[in-house]
Amino acid sequence: DTGVSQDPRHKITKRGQNVTFRCDPISEHNRLYWYRQTLGQGPEFLTYFQNEAQLEKSRLLSDRFSAERPKGSFSTLEIQRTEQGDSAMYLCASSSGTKAGELFFGEGSRLTVL
Amino acid sequence: GESVGLHLPTLSVQEGDNSIINCAYSNSASDYFIWYKQESGKGPQFIIDIRSNMDKRQGQRVTVLLNKTVKHLSLQIAATQPGDSAVYFCAENDYKLSFGAGTTVTVRA
Repeated sequence: DTGVSQDPRHKITKRGQNVTFRCDPISEHNRLYWYRQTLGQGPEFLTYFQNEAQLEKSRLLSDRFSAERPKGSFSTLEIQRTEQGDSAMYLCASSSGTKAGELFFGEGSRLTVL
Repeated sequence: GESVGLHLPTLSVQEGDNSIINCAYSNSASDYFIWYKQESGKGPQFIIDIRSNMDKRQGQRVTVLLNKTVKHLSLQIAATQPGDSAVYFCAENDYKLSFGAGTTVTVRA
């Protein structure tokens, strides 16, 4: 257990529905990341927060995707009008920033869009 | 596009042997590399990192080698154990990680 919690672990939804994932990072970590991972591929960067500020968004993050970290603690990732291509594992990670590449990942939220 | 990539998608190793996982990168300006391990059903886990001013770095049973001339890095695992069975990723870092595709390591008993 890395200390990063994600909820739900699995979500099955129908195309066109909205889904929301929650991430609770390690409490003292000010950086929070969302990644997406499809089968057989490495994680792909989606977005990054430092405290409550969203500092970067990947072009993978279409306008159907929105992420928030309202109080600089937990974060949510919402996908509106889901499409079958959104089916993937959504990984959250946090870091303190003291060791540049050491991110602590949660176990992910697996999304299946029917 | 992908700026780091592993050479082989799979590697089968006899328990007790040493494992070598290779990775190539394309950006000469990359100055920091990280190896992650991902076990089935879990998120990636940090193993070891190396900066471009180093050629070699050792951890517990793992060694990372960096060859900047040919833009290649490798992860060596000594005395491979069943618990080392996982997917291994190399990644480069600016302030976010860019992962390559992984190498699946299977340890044979």
